[in-house]
Amino acid sequence: AIQMTQSPSSLSASVGDRVTITCRASQGIRNDLGWYQQKPGKAPKLLIYAASSLQSGVPSRFSGSGSGTDFTLTISSLQPEDFATYYCLQDYNYPRTFGGGTKVEIK
Amino acid sequence: EVQLVESGGGLVKPGGSLRLSCAASGFTFSSYSMNWVRQAPGKGLEWVSSISSSSSYIYYADSVKGRFTISRDNAKNSLYLQMNSLRAEDTAVYYCARGSLDRWGQGTLVTVSS
Repeated sequence: AIQMTQSPSSLSASVGDRVTITCRASQGIRNDLGWYQQKPGKAPKLLIYAASSLQSGVPSRFSGSGSGTDFTLTISSLQPEDFATYYCLQDYNYPRTFGGGTKVEIK
Repeated sequence: EVQLVESGGGLVKPGGSLRLSCAASGFTFSSYSMNWVRQAPGKGLEWVSSISSSSSYIYYADSVKGRFTISRDNAKNSLYLQMNSLRAEDTAVYYCARGSLDRWGQGTLVTVSS
């Protein structure tokens, strides 16, 4: 199974900060990667698909990049509603595998 | 509006069985593969199983293979997960998710405890 290593596991940031989260795959997965946001008690929400495509309705401050094994989710200017946990997911093959998550907290 | 509504969760003893359902609406269910994903309390997301649109292709995580069975009824716009031989480590919120996991239900809690 492909392992997805996400870092950092948590970070503290202020409103307006630029935030970067990375995900590394144990083997090449082309651009078959998605990023999800999850708030406490809620279902995950898809933000980015195919590594860099913005899901409909998602604010443009979210962006994704990368291909092969290394991927990045960037929030250009952190907003209060962005404090949440973020996960990457590879959909290159089965079993699907998620990264361990990054909790974004208020500094 | 796309809606996925899970049901069937609850408290079950180790070794017991439970059947989860996911009712879909707002899209052409028969055109999409479907998935189950779970999240243990305070933990991350774990993919459980996927089924293709016509049920031709089915995949399971190693952790549930041989114990869980995914199925669907396209006439009823419904997805199912039959869970047998349940263990304490199966305790989690179970989500159904559409296709490439672009839409998710609200989840149903399964607790395995004596």
